[in-house]
Amino acid sequence: TQLLEQSPQFLSIQEGENLTVYCNSSSVFSSLQWYRQEPGEGPVLLVTVVTGGEVKKLKRLTFQFGDARKDSSLHITAAQPGDTGLYLCAGARSGYSTLTFGKGTMLLVSP
Amino acid sequence: DTAVSQTPKYLVTQMGNDKSIKCEQNLGHDTMYWYKQDSKKFLKIMFSYNNKELIINETVPNRFSPKSPDKAHLNLHINSLELGDSAVYFCASTGGPGLTDTQYFGPGTRLTVL
Repeated sequence: TQLLEQSPQFLSIQEGENLTVYCNSSSVFSSLQWYRQEPGEGPVLLVTVVTGGEVKKLKRLTFQFGDARKDSSLHITAAQPGDTGLYLCAGARSGYSTLTFGKGTMLLVSP
Repeated sequence: DTAVSQTPKYLVTQMGNDKSIKCEQNLGHDTMYWYKQDSKKFLKIMFSYNNKELIINETVPNRFSPKSPDKAHLNLHINSLELGDSAVYFCASTGGPGLTDTQYFGPGTRLTVL
């Protein structure tokens, strides 16, 4: 059983479309991070959210942490080909010393 | 300048061989990690070192032996390689001990065991 479930697994869209990807769990997380991984590279941190209900914006990307801190979403407005990559969520739980990663959402944005 | 670097980028070897992967970070971080990413892109922690000392070993087979000669380096030696060891291995580092700190990942080493 995967602790952090990400959906969808794959998403292929056209440039200019909007999209939302989800990261869900039955466990409570003290914080949650979103990373983007491009082919042949390591993941790069996009954002960290720590407060239930928190919303953070990074240009066209909007991140939300659920009120109960069990889920998070990433919304991209007017997607561009440069947004293509694997989006990973990673959560930290109280009492655990490592991050737990989801399996990721592979996003392909075509021109 | 590359913050976290790994060598080699690609490694193809036969079953039963022993191989090493090297990692260096120039960020002045105290904590370094090894992760394994399988073919389904699942990223799983293997080891964590803080200031050259092992603090986390996530039930990794003892064929895997990390070594940290100083806090800027964390190498991974693998004995008796098996087919299931084929994966991409990522080194990462963080500036603080907390899990909200940014993890800086290296570019990965793609290991293929034939």
